[in-house]
Amino acid sequence: AAGVIQSPRHLIKEKRETATLKCYPIPRHDTVYWYQQGPGQDPQFLISFYEKMQSDKGSIPDRFSAQQFSDYHSELNMSSLELGDSALYFCASSFGQPSTDTQYFGPGTRLTVL
Amino acid sequence: KQEVTQIPAALSVPEGENLVLNCSFTDSAIYNLQWFRQDPGKGLTSLLLIQSSQREQTSGRLNASLDKSSGRSTLYIAASQPGDSATYLCAVLESGYSTLTFGKGTMLLVSP
Repeated sequence: AAGVIQSPRHLIKEKRETATLKCYPIPRHDTVYWYQQGPGQDPQFLISFYEKMQSDKGSIPDRFSAQQFSDYHSELNMSSLELGDSALYFCASSFGQPSTDTQYFGPGTRLTVL
Repeated sequence: KQEVTQIPAALSVPEGENLVLNCSFTDSAIYNLQWFRQDPGKGLTSLLLIQSSQREQTSGRLNASLDKSSGRSTLYIAASQPGDSATYLCAVLESGYSTLTFGKGTMLLVSP
C-alpha cells in the first residue's frame, strides 16, 4: 500500500540558508500535518492543512511557512535557518477534517543546520 | 494544555518477558489515543489506535487499553523479543483539535 512520501530524506544546510521540505500524502488523503522532533524530544506539531487551507497552527516559527497544493502535496519552507532547527521533520496525512482517523506518518526528513 | 506522560522513560528486559508501558494524559476530552514505535533516527510506525469509546485494542502480541476517565493507557507486550527494542510513543488526539500531543516515549531494550 502507498505510504506518505517525504523528500528529501536528509538535508544539510548552513545557518541563515533556506530549506524546502516536501510531503506527498497517501492517495485520497486530504489532510496533511507537519511535526518537528528535536534530538531526544517528542514530536511537536507545527501546522496542518485540510483541502489546501490552513487548519491548525502549532509551535511553528514565523521564519517557517507552509502550503498545500491542488494535488494535496505540501511544502514546508524554512528561512534564516538556525542551529536549533536541526531536527527530524515528519509529515503525516489523514482523510477528512476534523480527523479522528489514524494519522499516517512519513519516514521524516532529517535536517542538519551547520 | 494537554500533557502526556510516559513511564518508565527506559526499560530493559530479557527476551521472553511480558511487559507493560504506561501513558497518562491530563485532559480526558480526547478523540483517540495512539501508540507508535520509533526505531533510532527513523520514522513513526503506528501500532494501535484506540477510539475514545473503546477500552482496548489488540494486534498480535500487543494489547493497548484505555481508561479515559482516569486519563491512562497501557501498552502490553507479550513474550518480548529483541526485535521489539525501540522507543514507544503514546499520543492523544484531543477533542476539537486535529493534532496529536505526544509523550516523550519509553525506550525499550530487550536483550537476548
